[in-house]
Amino acid sequence: GAGVSQSPSNKVTEKGKDVELRCDPISGHTALYWYRQSLGQGLEFLIYFQGNSAPDKSGLPSDRFSAERTGGSVSTLTIQRTQQEDSAVYLCASSLFGGSNGNTIYFGEGSWLTVV
Amino acid sequence: AQSVSQHNHHVILSEAASLELGCNYSYGGTVNLFWYVQYPGQHLQLLLKYFSGDPLVKGIKGFEAEFIKSKFSFNLRKPSVQWSDTAEYFCAVNGHSSNTGKLIFGQGTTLQVKP
Repeated sequence: GAGVSQSPSNKVTEKGKDVELRCDPISGHTALYWYRQSLGQGLEFLIYFQGNSAPDKSGLPSDRFSAERTGGSVSTLTIQRTQQEDSAVYLCASSLFGGSNGNTIYFGEGSWLTVV
Repeated sequence: AQSVSQHNHHVILSEAASLELGCNYSYGGTVNLFWYVQYPGQHLQLLLKYFSGDPLVKGIKGFEAEFIKSKFSFNLRKPSVQWSDTAEYFCAVNGHSSNTGKLIFGQGTTLQVKP
């Protein structure tokens, strides 16, 4: 597609429920990132995919958070047993290659998650 | 520890005023530096980036930034702001030797330009 596409754009869920957030990266981009942006905070790195593998999961805040990527394309971020502190904007980003070789990372519009 | 610090959290300027947003980083090794902008209701967009070469980098919409290695800084500047520059601005860094390329972001600076 033309850009990084995320769905849903907005999600309100009850505390304790599970949620899935989807990311469709730019076609051909092998690297995919998930970030979280909380109110008044910067962007917090969650996980990095290269192809279908996740060599860096260091930012996942707890074992309630998981992500997968299939076909080297679409990724799903799953939050189990949501808590109010999970409320944030979840941003997906992609780049042509991973690593710091000069390529630009492009961001989607984000999925706004509100846990009530 | 790897980190980015943006000194100004909220800046209010009148149109035609000059802008300088501070950014300092802490990161071992050679770095790449970025400024991203998020206009109201829109996604993050790249304003400019520095990888190597001339430390004065020019980006879109008249923005520029200067990498000063000795000060670990990458301040963003614009000589004359417009109302349409109202947005949130994020400074970010990654390392030349990073296998992932993941970006470390500052907390952002909200710029409000009064017409």
